[in-house]
Amino acid sequence: DTGVSQDPRHKITKRGQNVTFRCDPISEHNRLYWYRQTLGQGPEFLTYFQNEAQLEKSRLLSDRFSAERPKGSFSTLEIQRTEQGDSAMYLCASSSWASSYNSPLHFGNGTRLTVT
Amino acid sequence: ELKVEQNPLFLSMQEGKNYTIYCNYSTTSDRLYWYRQDPGKSLESLFVLLSNGAVKQEGRLMASLDTKARLSTLHITAAVHDLSATYFCAVVRPQGGSEKLVFGKGMKLTVNP
Repeated sequence: DTGVSQDPRHKITKRGQNVTFRCDPISEHNRLYWYRQTLGQGPEFLTYFQNEAQLEKSRLLSDRFSAERPKGSFSTLEIQRTEQGDSAMYLCASSSWASSYNSPLHFGNGTRLTVT
Repeated sequence: ELKVEQNPLFLSMQEGKNYTIYCNYSTTSDRLYWYRQDPGKSLESLFVLLSNGAVKQEGRLMASLDTKARLSTLHITAAVHDLSATYFCAVVRPQGGSEKLVFGKGMKLTVNP
């Protein structure tokens, strides 16, 4: 169990640019989640996958946001035409469907996005 | 819409003291989680509470769940500086098949020597 890995740790971009983040879940976990956390707030749900299927999306996930998990392993989160309001910590988490009811989500260290 | 409220949001306490923090949620749910977050770090799972009356303890922390009151408590016993962190509770949204966790704003705890 090497934990949930996210890359990059930090990203600074100019407004209007596109950015992509990667998440590698714990290897035996088939559920993968994306959350966004701003300063002083709790994480907000963005989306989650079971294997390669995206099963739930938040209304927070505007048309500029897209997430994929093409082979049911790693996932990418892309933000197009970034805005200053997108500045936040983007957290990835994973869990196993088989034990998800009584097991917590395991979170990665996050990608901190700053849009200038 | 499910809302999760934590009380208090900030707490400064001295080492050796006891305190209880609260987490209220607005609609029925069957799972409640407590997480800890250190500055600049990710979230670390503390407890998963699944049923009414559930009580779990780990070290100086004890969590309980009252599903009828839609309330969870996190009790701190004889606080030590290492407990300084932000504590979040989170509840699963009660819609069939949803795995969306709704988090509270977090309680920032500072334990002073």
